Amino acid sequence: EDQVTQSPEALRLQEGESSSLNCSYTVSGLRGLFWYRQDPGKGPEFLFTLYSAGEEKEKERLKATLTKKESFLHITAPKPEDSATYLCAGTLDNDMRFGAGTRLTVKP
Amino acid sequence: DTAVSQTPKYLVTQMGNDKSIKCEQNLGHDTMYWYKQDSKKFLKIMFSYNNKELIINETVPNRFSPKSPDKAHLNLHINSLELGDSAVYFCASSQDSDEQYFGPGTRLTVT
Repeated sequence: EDQVTQSPEALRLQEGESSSLNCSYTVSGLRGLFWYRQDPGKGPEFLFTLYSAGEEKEKERLKATLTKKESFLHITAPKPEDSATYLCAGTLDNDMRFGAGTRLTVKP
Repeated sequence: DTAVSQTPKYLVTQMGNDKSIKCEQNLGHDTMYWYKQDSKKFLKIMFSYNNKELIINETVPNRFSPKSPDKAHLNLHINSLELGDSAVYFCASSQDSDEQYFGPGTRLTVT
């Protein structure tokens, strides 16, 4: 069965403490791997799309990487405003499977 | 300009009622979706529509029906509401199966 699994469920960091979030997938025929950010009470906001193993994308303090079986979202020197739930999703055509998310809290 | 909008933002209703949630996108996208996010925050796709054709219909009860009057709108109709339907419902849109843009969500509470 196609699955997307994220770890850890929750992560608490001090401001400036870099870390990584993991997304492993068993989606056959994966077309793309997506990362989203979701703030409380809001809809998910698109961050990155990765299509092939070895691909990397960066945006401010975030960098997403992709291997054949998993993706990482690296957060460098996070700030309190980076606190949110980060969701990854695998897609086959118009079917998108989301992981349960990692709830990130960055303390000042 | 709001890219994907939903109304209402909050909906409180009693069991057995019929309700609708509206969604509109002004991005010119060709595909629209409905998702359900349960109390554990797990986001699960319910439907997607491309050019008025239903592409995916996950195993949702047939009390739920998407209706698309035109390419920019995909409304969600729910008949005979049940307690278990309480959740946050998100509309989204995309172009060519690429990244999806989500609306702000509608929190449905069934009492």
